[in-house]
Order: sequence, then C-alpha cells, then structure tokens
Amino acid sequence: DQQVKQNSPSLSVQEGRISILNCDYTNSMFDYFLWYKKYPAEGPTFLISISSIKDKNEDGRFTVFLNKSAKHLSLHIVPSQPGDSAVYFCAASAQETSGSRLTFGEGTQLTVNP
Amino acid sequence: DSGVTQTPKHLITATGQRVTLRCSPRSGDLSVYWYQQSLDQGLQFLIQYYNGEERAKGNILERFSAQQFPDLHSELNLSSLELGDSALYFCASSVEPGVATDTQYFGPGTRLTVL
Repeated sequence: DQQVKQNSPSLSVQEGRISILNCDYTNSMFDYFLWYKKYPAEGPTFLISISSIKDKNEDGRFTVFLNKSAKHLSLHIVPSQPGDSAVYFCAASAQETSGSRLTFGEGTQLTVNP
Repeated sequence: DSGVTQTPKHLITATGQRVTLRCSPRSGDLSVYWYQQSLDQGLQFLIQYYNGEERAKGNILERFSAQQFPDLHSELNLSSLELGDSALYFCASSVEPGVATDTQYFGPGTRLTVL
C-alpha cells in the first residue's frame, strides 16, 4: 500500500524556469509534509515542510502548496538552477497514529538544463 | 552537513555474517531513526529510538536489531545477512518527536553490500 506517491519519476526543465514537483497521499491522518533533496551517494537533505493547518509555505526559491481536500502537495522551485538537479522525495508523517516515522514517495529526478 | 554522522560509509560482507552500523545524532537531538533504501523498495522506515528507548517499529526484520546508548548514539545490528539486505541504510535524528512539526535530519548513509 503506497500511501505517498510521486507519479513522475523524472522532470526536465530549463534554467530560470519553474520546476513543479507533485506528490499525492492517501492517508488522511498525515499532518506534516516534508520535501527532501538527495544527491547520489549522499543522505536526503531537508528542504522545506508544511503543516496540515497551512496551505502554503515559502522559503526563498522554494514554495510548498498543500491541498488537503485533494490529498495533494506540490513543490515549486523558481527560478530553477542547474544545482537543483537531484532526486526530490516527498515525505509525510502522522503524529497521532505513528509517531514521527516518515513515509516517503518514490522520488522524482529533477534535471535543470543550462 | 546535517550534523548527523554515520560509520562506516561502505561495508562489504558475505552472506550469513553480522554487521553493526553506527549513528551519532545532531547535538541536542534525542530521537534517532533508521531507514533502509533498497532499489526496489525506496526509503523504508525501520525503527525509532527516543532518549534510549524504542519508540516505534516499522518493517524491520527479526534478524535486525537496534539500540540507543546513554550518549544518544545508536547502533543498527544486522545478522544472518542475505543478498537482499544489500541497501543504503540511513540514520536520521530529530529534537522532539512529540511535536507535530518535528523535522528529521539525515546522515550520509552506510552502503551495505552482501556478497
């Protein structure tokens, strides 16, 4: 049962344009959502998060949007830079039922072309 | 650099053997988590410790065990290793898992290869 899904295995964008990465979830108990960025042979790096009581959180070039009714979240990167090329993981946790364990999506490989 | 350290970086061993992976959390973090990333399973939660006590268990095999020591470092022990145990093992730490917006920070991982 894949509770967090990233349906796009890969995404390619031009430098300076917007990158939009999507994530869907099925567990309505999830109340905290995070995006991590991962380079090969390194651990996931925390990027940005959002609580279920909000619908948007912004940090510099990164913005995460949460649509609870659709059980969907997205990460916007504007403007995209070649250094943003990496695998992006969406993750979720449900404090009440399963503590802080994170459930991850499969990841989306973002490639930003110069 | 997340502040979470893991050793060793790489480990190559044979089937049937036992290995120990070590993790030191960020300064001030009380909770440690272990995750496994294999090619066909993605990132999967294994187990969580908080201030020395087991807090939550995920899909961790009975051949695997973990503990968190008084200095808060943690060890993941994998025994009777099988080829399918080859994976990246990540440790993460966080300050307070009881807080709804608690964020986990990951170490660089240990790549285990079982031959």
